[in-house]
Amino acid sequence: RKEVEQDPGPFNVPEGATVAFNCTYSNSASQSFFWYRQDCRKEPKLLMSVYSSGNEDGRFTAQLNRASQYISLLIRDSKLSDSATYLCVVNNPWSGAGSYQLTFGKGTKLSVIP
Amino acid sequence: NAGVTQTPKFRVLKTGQSMTLLCAQDMNHEYMYWYRQDPGMGLRLIHYSVGEGTTAKGEVPDGYNVSRLKKQNFLLGLESAAPSQTSVYFCASSNLYEQYFGPGTRLTVT
Repeated sequence: RKEVEQDPGPFNVPEGATVAFNCTYSNSASQSFFWYRQDCRKEPKLLMSVYSSGNEDGRFTAQLNRASQYISLLIRDSKLSDSATYLCVVNNPWSGAGSYQLTFGKGTKLSVIP
Repeated sequence: NAGVTQTPKFRVLKTGQSMTLLCAQDMNHEYMYWYRQDPGMGLRLIHYSVGEGTTAKGEVPDGYNVSRLKKQNFLLGLESAAPSQTSVYFCASSNLYEQYFGPGTRLTVT
């Protein structure tokens, strides 16, 4: 089983739509969870951290279900500028002490269509 | 602040040639990482460093060496390039879990 699994997409949605991405992770000892965004031919950038209680940042909502080892990202009122690949990321608790290693999913591609 | 910079941005090598990729960060971060990103494979960790003078192997270290002689710099070396090393290489730095990435180096080995 892969450590972090995501639906690769692509998700093609019209402007204004709501879209949800899901991610599962295999290591139950992981403690930190994130969504990164990567634009075409650019570097990944942190979009938001994911907390157990769920958290929201504007049009973006992230949820974590530790029991099911499942993370989600919801984007409301999609904009053309949301078109990108969204990477699900979890910390690697078996990495060397103090290294803060992360394991990245392969990403889900989103295209928002006018 | 420039953040994380990488040089060069593009490079074409012939099989067997060597090269060094340079990563520099001006955020005084302790941790630095080298990843490669291939289509359908996602980001894979090559080597990392938890501080000046330290390095450690990641998921795919074979064929690469690294050095961190200064806190702000992390060098990735390819001693004898192979076509399988054609990829986009990203450097990142962090103090905690939020990693800041450089713009990447596109390397083609023919």
